[in-house]
Amino acid sequence: NAGVTQTPKFQVLKTGQSMTLQCAQDMNHEYMSWYRQDPGMGLRLIHYSVGAGITDQGEVPNGYNVSRSTTEDFPLRLLSAAPSQTSVYFCASSQDGTGGSYNEQFFGPGTRLTVL
Amino acid sequence: AQSVTQPDIHITVSEGASLELRCNYSYGATPYLFWYVQSPGQGLQLLLKYFSGDTLVQGIKGFEAEFKRSQSSFNLRKPSVHWSDAAEYFCAVGDDYKLSFGAGTTVTVRA
Repeated sequence: NAGVTQTPKFQVLKTGQSMTLQCAQDMNHEYMSWYRQDPGMGLRLIHYSVGAGITDQGEVPNGYNVSRSTTEDFPLRLLSAAPSQTSVYFCASSQDGTGGSYNEQFFGPGTRLTVL
Repeated sequence: AQSVTQPDIHITVSEGASLELRCNYSYGATPYLFWYVQSPGQGLQLLLKYFSGDTLVQGIKGFEAEFKRSQSSFNLRKPSVHWSDAAEYFCAVGDDYKLSFGAGTTVTVRA
């Protein structure tokens, strides 16, 4: 199993450009999530999904869109990038959520995004 | 609203010494609590978690944490630190679908 994979590893954008960060998992997990990590702020939840076709907002959703058409994939879209979106982005997945003793979130390696 | 405070930004500890990382949380009900570790340039790995029951939780790599409801704390401990424990550690609190992370504590291990 590859686990949780993210592409690209690094990306530089100009302000106003759009792009999609890819996330895929091969563990048949229903729950997937996106976080951004900024120095001194830990990880903050952007969006999450509890299954194909179901998404919801996290703590910092503005400027980001998501969709979940398959169980395996959960892409994160930046429609018009801003310098404030410079960050490291992590995707994670778990069986069906963050609660319950059986659930464990597995994190991808991250995408480092710079917006100029 | 749920939140987590990790009071120590950076801790330096000698190899073989004990380690304790502090975590205080704010949550309306009985929380789910987690500790994660992040090595440089890597994603996060779960060390341990608390959902209910025994307030002393054992995790991987020799770590343990104690839930103290009266103090709203979930401190992480390790009796004897190894050089490979140098990393950033995050405490998190959450419910069934959302986690809130603390700002992290960076641990440096000196020989």
